[in-house]
Amino acid sequence: GAGVSQSPSNKVTEKGKDVELRCDPISGHTALYWYRQSLGQGLEFLIYFQGNSAPDKSGLPSDRFSAERTGGSVSTLTIQRTQQEDSAVYLCASSVRRGDEQFFGPGTRLTVL
Amino acid sequence: GEDVEQSLFLSVREGDSSVINCTYTDSSSTYLYWYKQEPGAGLQLLTYIFSNMDMKQDQRLTVLLNKKDKHLSLRIADTQTGDSAIYFCAESMDTGRRALTFGSGTRLQVQP
Repeated sequence: GAGVSQSPSNKVTEKGKDVELRCDPISGHTALYWYRQSLGQGLEFLIYFQGNSAPDKSGLPSDRFSAERTGGSVSTLTIQRTQQEDSAVYLCASSVRRGDEQFFGPGTRLTVL
Repeated sequence: GEDVEQSLFLSVREGDSSVINCTYTDSSSTYLYWYKQEPGAGLQLLTYIFSNMDMKQDQRLTVLLNKKDKHLSLRIADTQTGDSAIYFCAESMDTGRRALTFGSGTRLQVQP
């Protein structure tokens, strides 16, 4: 069956531009997580969705970062006014329920020039 | 706070055993995981252990947990070249969001 998919796989943007990263979780998975993998910070949690609501946004590094989830399915992570330190691989994971095994997508590699 | 640490690099010869170590600081961690990341691929869950267990074995993989010392290890028996990857340990708690806190990853290089 289909796993977690993310698009685009690679994104190069100029500093100051906005970007949108998309995650398609496994169908039926109610929990969705965004993580960021960068050279300086390793793998870090950004935000968690249960259904369409985000009870935990504590990992978002600044107010330039936001995310939404619609229909209990697709999620979009938006970064406004991108900075070079936003360059990283953004990973999405989903699980049937909170606490179950998280299945990861291949990630979106974001490069901010 | 939560902190998970791993050594950065391990090199072994094909056929030898590999042992990847991890330490964590959060004593309330309930679940501890090992993930594998191959170049260009997403994270793949290898195995996990509950904090009330000392050991778990799954084919070539053996996980040891020393809860007193907050030390977790992954042993890979008969290491193959296909095992070359980055291995992450991660922890989560039994409450709240259950998000994962990852270590920095250990790059395992298997030499033929």
